[in-house]
Amino acid sequence: AQSVTQLGSHVSVSEGALVLLRCNYSSSVPPYLFWYVQYPNQGLQLLLKYTSAATLVKGINGFEAEFKKSETSFHLTKPSAHMSDAAEYFCAVSDQGGSEKLVFGKGTKLTVNP
Amino acid sequence: GAVVSQHPSRVICKSGTSVKIECRSLDFQATTMFWYRQFPKKSLMLMATSNEGSKATYEQGVEKDKFLINHASLTLSTLTVTSAHPEDSSFYICSAPGLAKNIQYFGAGTRLSVL
Repeated sequence: AQSVTQLGSHVSVSEGALVLLRCNYSSSVPPYLFWYVQYPNQGLQLLLKYTSAATLVKGINGFEAEFKKSETSFHLTKPSAHMSDAAEYFCAVSDQGGSEKLVFGKGTKLTVNP
Repeated sequence: GAVVSQHPSRVICKSGTSVKIECRSLDFQATTMFWYRQFPKKSLMLMATSNEGSKATYEQGVEKDKFLINHASLTLSTLTVTSAHPEDSSFYICSAPGLAKNIQYFGAGTRLSVL
């Protein structure tokens, strides 16, 4: 069974500050890992994904995440927050068997203060 | 790029009525689609996997007679909430795998409010 834990349901940063959203996973098989962003009353947009290639993954909007197997982590970072980054962020895992099923974390709401 | 269209975006209905939500893949075919439910301030929970031309696969604890899924074509899956009750009020989101492996495209979601 797979699971995802996102530490911190709410994260607040100042505009221009570093964004760090934490995600730890549990998987009995090699995982694929994803970060999605959700704006209010909208669906999910893929930010980036890890699929067993490079451990440092760069995504859209300046976000990146690093897969650390030893720490079972896949934290999302952005060097400088913009007001437009305020949204809900979800970490998700699927197995590499290709079932395509995603297991989501509970989400982290990011607030960016001016 | 691949787009998934979900309709309606918002629906308000009376208790006891049924509501149908459509999920369409635009410009690509989807033999599989996924239906998620998102409770307020909580994560997305997979409800079922919709399979074109065959029965849907429901996750444990999801009532298949309550949430009817039909995937009659390669571009359309529907979720019908039958005899809706206030506890069915939620945000429902569909997704479809794209051409690239392990990339899913999500619909914009449907906010269901049952009075």
